[in-house]
Amino acid sequence: DGGITQSPKYLFRKEGQNVTLSCEQNLNHDAMYWYRQDPGQGLRLIYYSQIVNDFQKGDIAEGYSVSREKKESFPLTVTSAQKNPTAFYLCASSNSYYNEQFFGPGTRLTVL
Amino acid sequence: ELKVEQNPLFLSMQEGKNYTIYCNYSTTSDRLYWYRQDPGKSLESLFVLLSNGAVKQEGRLMASLDTKARLSTLHITAAVHDLSATYFCAVTPLSGIQGAQKLVFGQGTRLTINP
Repeated sequence: DGGITQSPKYLFRKEGQNVTLSCEQNLNHDAMYWYRQDPGQGLRLIYYSQIVNDFQKGDIAEGYSVSREKKESFPLTVTSAQKNPTAFYLCASSNSYYNEQFFGPGTRLTVL
Repeated sequence: ELKVEQNPLFLSMQEGKNYTIYCNYSTTSDRLYWYRQDPGKSLESLFVLLSNGAVKQEGRLMASLDTKARLSTLHITAAVHDLSATYFCAVTPLSGIQGAQKLVFGQGTRLTINP
């Protein structure tokens, strides 16, 4: 089955730690995205990537970093510089023309 | 800066009734998307509206787009409990390019349908 996987489902971070969230897709989509969702809110774009080895900052990129070494993979690192990282993180991918974005199941990050 | 606003933000209705969710956006766009989110879950794509006057229907849900008014509607017909969820609209800024483009989301409409 084609789809998007994210791991882990739940993640706990201590103050000062960097953590990496995994996102993999087998839909053969070129574009991939990372969003953050806070309780009762819409989604906000963190980073996105059109092709391998290229990515752009979204609206709330500070404190986050990404890489795109393979078409299928777009990991997100939440660094210690992100002061309020507790949120639900969603990865998405899209076909190039319609930009219809398909979402993974999400990772819920909690800072202890 | 593109802003997307939905109303109402909360909607409680009875089964069998009809209602409409509105999505307004602030700058020119020709692509609008509707998503559904169940509590604690990810987003599910419902509709992609790509041109002025576009109308799409799936079951009891129908979405339309008026690019001149910068307005999309999601109409629910004869609501059933299974449609209880949060519904988001999202808009891509008009850029004239294809490929990866950001989506700007509305705040979401939390819909509760009571038996």
